[in-house]
Amino acid sequence: EAQVTQNPRYLITVTGKKLTVTCSQNMNHEYMSWYRQDPGLGLRQIYYSMNVEVTDKGDVPEGYKVSRKEKRNFPLILESPSPNQTSLYFCASSPGWSNQPQHFGDGTRLSIL
Amino acid sequence: ILNVEQSPQSLHVQEGDSTNFTCSFPSSNFYALHWYRWETAKSPEALFVMTLNGDEKKKGRISATLNTKEGYSYLYIKGSQPEDSATYLCAFSLDDYKLSFGAGTTVTVRA
Repeated sequence: EAQVTQNPRYLITVTGKKLTVTCSQNMNHEYMSWYRQDPGLGLRQIYYSMNVEVTDKGDVPEGYKVSRKEKRNFPLILESPSPNQTSLYFCASSPGWSNQPQHFGDGTRLSIL
Repeated sequence: ILNVEQSPQSLHVQEGDSTNFTCSFPSSNFYALHWYRWETAKSPEALFVMTLNGDEKKKGRISATLNTKEGYSYLYIKGSQPEDSATYLCAFSLDDYKLSFGAGTTVTVRA
């Protein structure tokens, strides 16, 4: 089954404790992206990747890092999480770039205390 | 950050009635316009991607139009059903890589 898989689905952690949210897709998609969703603000793009080893900042990259060492994986790293990063996070992939529909994962709800 | 506005923020519609709502975006340097349906406790699901002025797309009872010159897109739901209850998101792109989403229109269909 074609899918985008995120882990964990839920996480409660404390300020400053490094965490990684994994994202994996099995559709051989070139483009992958991370978004955060906050009430009233819609989805905001954090980082995106056009292909292996090629990443760039979205609209809200501060406090986040990403890597794309393999085509299928695109982890989101919070080196020193803070409470303002409490949010619902989505990973997405698409076969081409922004003129192709995005396939979203199920989301990861992060709470940082 | 590009300003993508959706209106109304929410609407209620009686089962069987038709409805429509709007996505407004900057009219310069258009590349693509996306529509997604987002049901509670699920992930957003793609409805349409439109790239040409005047484009019209249809999927069952849902259709969309695009006017890139004036910077808006309409989404129409014909004969609304309870399963159409969801938040509908639009997303705008002016280049190959970045997508800017609106805050969504939440549709509630009353039986």
